[in-house]
Order: sequence, then structure tokens, then C-alpha cells
Amino acid sequence: ETAVFQTPNYHVTQVGNEVSFNCKQTLGHDTMYWYKQDSKKLLKIMFSYNNKQLIVNETVPRRFSPQSSDKAHLNLRIKSVEPEDSAVYLCASSFGVQDTQYFGPGTRLLVL
Amino acid sequence: LAKTTQPPSMEAYEGQEVNVSCSHTNIATSEYIYWYRQVPHQGPQFIIQGYKDYVVNEVASLFISADRKLSTLSLPWVSLRDAAVYYCIVTDMAGNYKPTFGKGTSLVVHP
Repeated sequence: ETAVFQTPNYHVTQVGNEVSFNCKQTLGHDTMYWYKQDSKKLLKIMFSYNNKQLIVNETVPRRFSPQSSDKAHLNLRIKSVEPEDSAVYLCASSFGVQDTQYFGPGTRLLVL
Repeated sequence: LAKTTQPPSMEAYEGQEVNVSCSHTNIATSEYIYWYRQVPHQGPQFIIQGYKDYVVNEVASLFISADRKLSTLSLPWVSLRDAAVYYCIVTDMAGNYKPTFGKGTSLVVHP
């Protein structure tokens, strides 16, 4: 049963546009994450967010920013998309940063 | 953080036991070993975790070598539903969480 929800499922946009992806978890977890999975299926963490503490992967471009209204929601905004941003973006949550993570189904982004 | 190395692909027939290996030669004392699997169009799903020795749950078992540089995920009696990409990752227990998912092992199951 899905407990980490992501919207939209797919998004097609043009270079330079701003996009925002939503993630909600109903598991009562304290930590949420965003991952990027590229065409080679490599999965790389972008952000983790725990008790309002943001840990950023230093390789993530500044046009990416996480946005959280409460511990159940962590959205991802991309200010000005570029072609290399085409990928699947996966949201996950866990109780603590070292605990088992539960993933959402992903949002597939295509930048034309 | 430790880097993991797995075989890129494996094949098996339904009903066989499958053992997927993972090398993490630089694993630190603070790091745990996790296994996840991912089927197409879904996010990864947790399978099992361990620190040392042998761990078993209702889905799989995990053997970790004495020096913790090698772990083996064992899937008994695989079915077609077990066809997926299997990822081995290690996590830093020090709090600076930046897990490294490798390329994983793509398991093909034949009827």
C-alpha cells in the first residue's frame, strides 16, 4: 500500500521554465528525501530534511530547492529547468536519517 | 562513505535460490548495509538491513562477511515477481546522510 504520494506522475516542459513537484507521506516519519534517478538508473540523493534541518548534496545545482510546510510534506522546485534535469525524481521518508526509507512512485520529468 | 560494487545482472529460473553479492571494501565502522529492490515505474522498496553476521526476515536473508567488506543477499524460491533491480547501499550512522546507490543488479527470472 502506497504511503508516500507524489504528484504529478509525469511532467513535460521546456527549457527555462519553473516546475514544482509535490510529495506527501502519511507514515508519521520525521525525515524526507529527494532523489534523482537518471536514464542509466543511477539513484543520487539530492536533499534530506529532518526536523527543519536541511542536508544538501553539494553536487545539486542551486536552481533546485526543497520546500516544506510540515514534516509530512516536502516539495521540490526547479527554478529554470535544463535538458539534463530530465529524469525521475523520487521522494522518500523515514523515521530517522538512518532508518528504512519508504519511496514514492516517482515523478518523471522531460525537458524539451 | 563506502562505495558498493555489484554484478550488473543475474538470471535465474522460478523456484531457484538467488544470491546477489555486494562488495563494500571501504565500509566504515559506523555504516550499516541496506538492500532495496526496484521494479519498473516504482520507487525502491526496502528488503533487509544488517551490520554484521547473518540477518533473516520473511523475504530474504543477508550474510555479511567477518570483515564486513562483502555482503550477500539470498532470495529463496524466486518467482517472476522478484524480477527487479537490486541495490546494496551503506549508510553513514554519523548523521551526515548521503547514501550512495550503485548501479544495482538487474535480476531476470525465467519461467
